[in-house]
Amino acid sequence: ILNVEQSPQSLHVQEGDSTNFTCSFPSSNFYALHWYRWETAKSPEALFVMTLNGDEKKKGRISATLNTKEGYSYLYIKGSQPEDSATYLCAFPNQGGKLIFGQGTELSVKP
Amino acid sequence: DAGVIQSPRHEVTEMGQEVTLRCKPISGHNSLFWYRQTMMRGLELLIYFNNNVPIDDSGMPEDRFSAKMPNASFSTLKIQPSEPRDSAVYFCASSLALGQRNQPQHFGDGTRLSIL
Repeated sequence: ILNVEQSPQSLHVQEGDSTNFTCSFPSSNFYALHWYRWETAKSPEALFVMTLNGDEKKKGRISATLNTKEGYSYLYIKGSQPEDSATYLCAFPNQGGKLIFGQGTELSVKP
Repeated sequence: DAGVIQSPRHEVTEMGQEVTLRCKPISGHNSLFWYRQTMMRGLELLIYFNNNVPIDDSGMPEDRFSAKMPNASFSTLKIQPSEPRDSAVYFCASSLALGQRNQPQHFGDGTRLSIL
């Protein structure tokens, strides 16, 4: 059974703080790691799909790194803004292509 | 480009009624997924299709739920008879071919279902 774990479960930061959270996934049979952002009352939105060990992807103030050998990915947000408040989900596709989602990290950024 | 389109956006109906949720995936996407979001369980995958064929329906809660994909541009999720515990937000998502696991899923806006 594939297990995808995210930590912390929730995070409260002040506007301007930089923050990061973790996604752990099985290091064997790795193919890709997905990150999604899910704002309240909206639908999940794809941020990154990462495939290569050591890969780093960036989208504005958000970036992600990948370590496939040890089975973890970090998501960083630089200078958090209230509009960054959302749940951040990582997901690991199994052999059949089904995404196994973590429970998410709920980020709240206070102005 | 149009994204994944779901209808209706909101549905309120009485217990026992049949409910049909609709989804139009992004043109050219071969894989379609139905998810349910609840407070208790978060985001659950109900069923997914590849090239209009159901691949895994192990997430479908019970026989009251059924899903079809008659063609590449349309899918339905049906609940008959509906029960109050079916109240949730139902999302449809699509992606390029299932085997391409490096392709992101694109989600529709969801259908908020309330069963009274």
